[in-house]
Amino acid sequence: AQTVTQSQPEMSVQEAETVTLSCTYDTSESDYYLFWYKQPPSRQMILVIRQEAYKQQNATENRFSVNFQKAAKSFSLKISDSQLGDAAMYFCAYRSWDNYGQNFVFGPGTRLSVLP
Amino acid sequence: KAGVTQTPRYLIKTRGQQVTLSCSPISGHRSVSWYQQTPGQGLQFLFEYFSETQRNKGNFPGRFSGRQFSNSRSEMNVSTLELGDSALYLCASSLAVVSNTEAFFGQGTRLTVV
Repeated sequence: AQTVTQSQPEMSVQEAETVTLSCTYDTSESDYYLFWYKQPPSRQMILVIRQEAYKQQNATENRFSVNFQKAAKSFSLKISDSQLGDAAMYFCAYRSWDNYGQNFVFGPGTRLSVLP
Repeated sequence: KAGVTQTPRYLIKTRGQQVTLSCSPISGHRSVSWYQQTPGQGLQFLFEYFSETQRNKGNFPGRFSGRQFSNSRSEMNVSTLELGDSALYLCASSLAVVSNTEAFFGQGTRLTVV
């Protein structure tokens, strides 16, 4: 079974600074997708960024970028120029498919605080 | 375009009762999946439906069940509620059943069992 680990339960960053959230996963599959989701106090899970495992190029979305190391099974999220609105729980997630349907596994989350 | 709608937003039930939660996916989305979120266990996959068929089920007891209707709306039911069932229940909809399609989440139903 696949597992996703986020070793940092809480992180804080000064506004306008850069922060990196860590994520590692375990799988024997070769075809899968990785995601970072943000969950603000409103509880709505919002997709931040996604990465296809077969792509070597790291995904970027504006101030958000990932460092995907497939061999190391590592998928960290870098947030540049942090803003107060970035404060939320961040979940790393693994998604793959088999004959039975999707397999969507989430990490335990990292609570990010942004200090003014 | 309306997002994923979950009703009700909050629910308080007594141990032993049953509860039904509803999820209306984004128009045109045919895949709906359900998750339980608790502080101790995090986000755990409950089940997934596509075109009215359950495709996959997580490791939950048979008290948790669900279904999907022809309009893709989905319901999940929990019978004989236990205190440990208190959680945020999230549903997500996707356009199709391939890994790279984005899953859009609803705001969840907060279930409290007393």
